[in-house]
Amino acid sequence: RKEVEQDPGPFNVPEGATVAFNCTYSNSASQSFFWYRQDCRKEPKLLMSVYSSGNEDGRFTAQLNRASQYISLLIRDSKLSDSATYLCVVNPYSGGYQKVTFGIGTKLQVIP
Amino acid sequence: DTAVSQTPKYLVTQMGNDKSIKCEQNLGHDTMYWYKQDSKKFLKIMFSYNNKELIINETVPNRFSPKSPDKAHLNLHINSLELGDSAVYFCASSQHLPRIRLYTEAFFGQGTRLTVV
Repeated sequence: RKEVEQDPGPFNVPEGATVAFNCTYSNSASQSFFWYRQDCRKEPKLLMSVYSSGNEDGRFTAQLNRASQYISLLIRDSKLSDSATYLCVVNPYSGGYQKVTFGIGTKLQVIP
Repeated sequence: DTAVSQTPKYLVTQMGNDKSIKCEQNLGHDTMYWYKQDSKKFLKIMFSYNNKELIINETVPNRFSPKSPDKAHLNLHINSLELGDSAVYFCASSQHLPRIRLYTEAFFGQGTRLTVV
C-alpha cells in the first residue's frame, strides 16, 4: 500500500461547483498534514494546514479523520483560477525526524 | 525577496556529464530537502538534512551526492548523468519544532528542470 494515496483525476468541474478531494495515508504515526497546490511548471505552494479540529480558509475547508486515516479538501464556488494540481502531504514523525511524503496529486480543471 | 532559491532554473547536458544544482534558503530553517518530480508528476523525496546532517536518504543512486556546507545551503551534485535523471528537482526547507514533535510546512524553490540528452 502506498504511504499516501490520492485519486489523480482529472476532476473537470464547472465554475461555481463544489468539489472534494480525499487522501488516505498508511502511517498511523503521522503527525502533521497539509494540502499544497501546484500550478503547471511551478513549485508546490502551501494551500493550508490540516488540523484535527478541521479548518476553513474562505472557500476551502480541510478535514482530518485520524480513525480512518484520511484527510479531505473541499472547495466551494470553484473559480477558473482554482485549476491546478492539489497535493496531499503527510508527515510521519518517527525517530525524531519527519519524512515529508506527497501524494501523487489530484488534478482539478475548472471549466467556464 | 526569494525564500528558497535554486540555480540553475534549466540545465541541459549530455549523458555521462557531472552537474551540480545549488540551493539556498533565507528563512532561518534548520531542515532542507531535495525532491525529484518525474514526467508522471510524482514528487519523491531524495534527501533531507537537519542542521547540516543527513537524516533521510531515500534509495537514491550514489551518483547523487548532496552537500550541506551550512544549514542555509543544500547542494546536489550528480555524477555520470543518465537519461533517466531527466526531471524537475525541487529544493525545500522547513523548521523542526522538537518540543511538539512537528515540522512546519515546507517552502519550495522554483525547481531546476534537468534534461539529459
